[in-house]
Amino acid sequence: DAKTTQPPSMDCAEGRAANLPCNHSTISGNEYVYWYRQIHSQGPQYIIHGLKNNETNEMASLIITEDRKSSTLILPHATLRDTAVYYCIVIATGSARQLTFGSGTQLTVLP
Amino acid sequence: DGGITQSPKYLFRKEGQNVTLSCEQNLNHDAMYWYRQDPGQGLRLIYYSQIVNDFQKGDIAEGYSVSREKKESFPLTVTSAQKNPTAFYLCASSILWGQGYEQYFGPGTRLTVT
Repeated sequence: DAKTTQPPSMDCAEGRAANLPCNHSTISGNEYVYWYRQIHSQGPQYIIHGLKNNETNEMASLIITEDRKSSTLILPHATLRDTAVYYCIVIATGSARQLTFGSGTQLTVLP
Repeated sequence: DGGITQSPKYLFRKEGQNVTLSCEQNLNHDAMYWYRQDPGQGLRLIYYSQIVNDFQKGDIAEGYSVSREKKESFPLTVTSAQKNPTAFYLCASSILWGQGYEQYFGPGTRLTVT
């Protein structure tokens, strides 16, 4: 699976959009981009995933560049409860193996 | 509500004792997983199971054992052979074949062995 690079930390004001970047320059054609988050001392939570088109669900939007070498997770109106570590991973669909989380981005939403 | 439950949330054991962590899901998922997470680190796979009565070792299976007698249940036993058992243990499940590969996680069990 391709490696990802994320900034270690980011701050965001409550109510503003949080834009979390991820680089995955070695991604291959059959690999999806997945985003999870983990609030302190809880299990990780799936957020969204995509292949090459932009995706949106009730939690977030995912913007993938045309060359697929990077992506951005957007939380449109961040709340204090969105403070968590956000993990970007790439994985080939259908692979029945583990999720490999890197160090992620610690997002802190400030009041 | 559908989901994954793990119990207990906190568990304390003396060194040399085996301990079993519970994981139950009512999502009708075929696949289940056990991960270990140490402070400030990512997840490491211990065991996974694609279907009932089948399971495979992950990257750090030594000192652990599992069973999958029912689709809903995937208990993990931490044996006395596990050299550093103190950790946060996470159970997850997923639909293997479908629209994506989302894994749904339980709340975790924090095991402390002294």
